[in-house]
Amino acid sequence: QQQVKQSPQSLIVQKGGISIINCAYENTAFDYFPWYQQFPGKGPALLIAIRPDVSEKKEGRFTISFNKSAKQFSLHIMDSQPGDSATYFCAANLSGSARQLTFGSGTQLTVLP
Amino acid sequence: DTGVSQNPRHKITKRGQNVTFRCDPISEHNRLYWYRQTLGQGPEFLTYFQNEAQLEKSRLLSDRFSAERPKGSFSTLEIQRTEQGDSAMYLCASSLAGSFGYTFGSGTRLTVV
Repeated sequence: QQQVKQSPQSLIVQKGGISIINCAYENTAFDYFPWYQQFPGKGPALLIAIRPDVSEKKEGRFTISFNKSAKQFSLHIMDSQPGDSATYFCAANLSGSARQLTFGSGTQLTVLP
Repeated sequence: DTGVSQNPRHKITKRGQNVTFRCDPISEHNRLYWYRQTLGQGPEFLTYFQNEAQLEKSRLLSDRFSAERPKGSFSTLEIQRTEQGDSAMYLCASSLAGSFGYTFGSGTRLTVV
């Protein structure tokens, strides 16, 4: 019940295309869903996050769509750029757990020029 | 530098040796987290401090692992009698209490040979 399942494992997109990464969870006690971006040799960096009382959040080219009934959420990267090539992780925070995050297994995104 | 600093960046040690890593969080952050990330996986929670108090520990944190945060500033993570399975990236993160997002450092990559 603590798991967050992420797909796909890898994704190749042409420059200007839309990248879509999906995550699913079981535990309805999760109350915060961030996405992190990680470049090789670096720690994950917070990209965008959403609470379950909101169905969509947009920041620039990045959008989270959240489906509470399906217990799924996804990251959409519009107008994908080669500089977006990185590993993306979804995560979920258990309510009351002082921000202990459970991460998905990651998606390696490659944006071709 | 206002980021989370981790030292050393890389550590190679022989099986059975003890190792210690250091994390310097963002100065005004009172929460500090340790995560472990193995190749191709998302980070896994190890432990969490609020100020100098260690408030949560994962079952992943065996008796060979110990973490401290004296005076609520920097933190150290020690692994005794290292095993090859300890080879991973050890990530530190910090945040303000009540804040949803936290900032990761670049990690310490441990290789046990």
